[in-house]
Amino acid sequence: KAGVTQTPRYLIKTRGQQVTLSCSPISGHRSVSWYQQTPGQGLQFLFEYFSETQRNKGNFPGRFSGRQFSNSRSEMNVSTLELGDSALYLCASSLDGNTIYFGEGSWLTVV
Amino acid sequence: AQTVTQSQPEMSVQEAETVTLSCTYDTSESDYYLFWYKQPPSRQMILVIRQEAYKQQNATENRFSVNFQKAAKSFSLKISDSQLGDAAMYFCAYRSFYSGGGADGLTFGKGTHLIIQP
Repeated sequence: KAGVTQTPRYLIKTRGQQVTLSCSPISGHRSVSWYQQTPGQGLQFLFEYFSETQRNKGNFPGRFSGRQFSNSRSEMNVSTLELGDSALYLCASSLDGNTIYFGEGSWLTVV
Repeated sequence: AQTVTQSQPEMSVQEAETVTLSCTYDTSESDYYLFWYKQPPSRQMILVIRQEAYKQQNATENRFSVNFQKAAKSFSLKISDSQLGDAAMYFCAYRSFYSGGGADGLTFGKGTHLIIQP
């Protein structure tokens, strides 16, 4: 059974640009959540989607947005990138919302 | 808001020995889930073990077991017969039982870097 798949794995963007990250959950999982990991702030929750609806949202500015499609695949978008957005972005999926499996992450570097 | 504290930034243990990683949390909720995740150098978060707060019995997964003390809000991870492959960052995490009501997903501690000495 395939795990959580994230693309792209690595990317470099310039300040002011926008970026879209993609996540395919484990087959059958309808809950997808996103986390940001940085050396300074650690792991922080961004948002969670279930059946195409945002169910929870962390304390991030509106530049961070996401969506979930009918096949449970999810994307997150960051607009007007700042240097501080450089991070590992982790996607996770869950069948029941409470046992959560993570992907390998997308490394974003903003220059 | 819930907080998770891991007071040991780094731990070192000899291969084949036992090590215990500490985690405390603060919450006003009575129902919740607790997790330990392992993050090796590849940076993928791997679920090690899960505990439901309403269960008194401590969870066990092979060489990994927890000591869950609900009244003390403590959730430590014991790794028996440590192996070189256990070397990683270990994160303790909390999740409210009642998801979907604006709860904040998983709340993580800062992590403990576990070193295995051969």
